[in-house]
Amino acid sequence: DAGITQSPRHKVTETGTPVTLRCHQTENHRYMYWYRQDPGHGLRLIHYSYGVKDTDKGEVSDGYSVSRSKTEDFLLTLESATSSQTSVYFCAISEGRMGGDTIYFGEGSWLTVV
Amino acid sequence: DAKTTQPPSMDCAEGRAANLPCNHSTISGNEYVYWYRQIHSQGPQYIIHGLKNNETNEMASLIITEDRKSSTLILPHATLRDTAVYYCIVRVPAAGNKLTFGGGTRVLVKP
Repeated sequence: DAGITQSPRHKVTETGTPVTLRCHQTENHRYMYWYRQDPGHGLRLIHYSYGVKDTDKGEVSDGYSVSRSKTEDFLLTLESATSSQTSVYFCAISEGRMGGDTIYFGEGSWLTVV
Repeated sequence: DAKTTQPPSMDCAEGRAANLPCNHSTISGNEYVYWYRQIHSQGPQYIIHGLKNNETNEMASLIITEDRKSSTLILPHATLRDTAVYYCIVRVPAAGNKLTFGGGTRVLVKP
């Protein structure tokens, strides 16, 4: 298994509170991604990073921010959680070779906003 | 992004080969075909990928047509543990080199 650790794995939080999910990798891969998965929507990209301090938006980035101050850590922050952000969040990593490398996924973080 | 079309579901018998089709008629020359699967609520698991040539690894074989407009994932001897949602994805090298997931095929392996 790829060296990806997501934390926390499960969290229940109240509407309006800030939440930070952490993705930690031990592979020294350049690219890191955050996806969310909801019933009926499959996996959708929130944000991704292509290096330290280099990030960009995905298709569902509203309400989320990210930071990457070290190669190994990619943080996803919900500044003010809403019920629509209840979801399963997956982190993924890849070396960054264009087209031919493999993206590996973590085991997911289950977030419930009540 | 290049789109893929997969059947929503299929059944296969345990011990038999499972052939999962995927259409990607708008694929460009530098775009790879990737296959992932997701078992229940686990993280997506990488299976195989290819550009032009057929590929084989310990999990599966990938057959890509000569015009690259379609491909087939072959699980040679399906087991009950292969029951999962299988995603065929065309990966675009630009714009984050990301994977864009579609609906996938829900495969049920029956005894």
